[in-house]
Amino acid sequence: AQTVTQSQPEMSVQEAETVTLSCTYDTSESDYYLFWYKQPPSRQMILVIRQEAYKQQNATENRFSVNFQKAAKSFSLKISDSQLGDAAMYFCALSNFGNEKLTFGTGTRLTIIP
Amino acid sequence: NAGVTQTPKFRILKIGQSMTLQCAQDMNHNYMYWYRQDPGMGLKLIYYSVGAGITDKGEVPNGYNVSRSTTEDFPLRLELAAPSQTSVYFCASSGPGIGTNQPQHFGDGTRLSIL
Repeated sequence: AQTVTQSQPEMSVQEAETVTLSCTYDTSESDYYLFWYKQPPSRQMILVIRQEAYKQQNATENRFSVNFQKAAKSFSLKISDSQLGDAAMYFCALSNFGNEKLTFGTGTRLTIIP
Repeated sequence: NAGVTQTPKFRILKIGQSMTLQCAQDMNHNYMYWYRQDPGMGLKLIYYSVGAGITDKGEVPNGYNVSRSTTEDFPLRLELAAPSQTSVYFCASSGPGIGTNQPQHFGDGTRLSIL
């Protein structure tokens, strides 16, 4: 069985600063996909970024980037130039190649300090 | 551009009552999913479907049933509501194609309370 662990229940960052959210995972598969989802107070689940395990290059989406360390089974999310709209719960998730089911971590609540 | 539509958004049930949570997607996705999210927790998979007529259990299927008669619709049925089923329920879909691990698109959720 695969697992996803987010060890930081809560994080806070000053507006315009950079913050990194941690995620570790465990899977017996060699091919898999990793995701970060954002859940603002509106409750909607929004995809932030996606990483294919076979790609060595870290995924980036504007102010969001990941640090993917396959050997360490680590997948952290870096948010640069934090904005008030980034305040949300952030969930790390994993799916094995060809198996669309997602396994989620327990989430990190990010607070942005004006 | 509707995406994934869930109804209702809120519902209160009495113990032992039954209800169906509706989910529809207009993106022609093969995969559809039902998750529940308990307070302070991540999402847990209840059931999923890889296409019309095909469903399978997820991590927490007990107390629920699903059907998938069309590509668009994936209703979730609670037969005998119990307090442990108080949660927020999310429907999601992904595709097109099979085995491509596309990102899942989520509905806005249904908050269900069992009293």
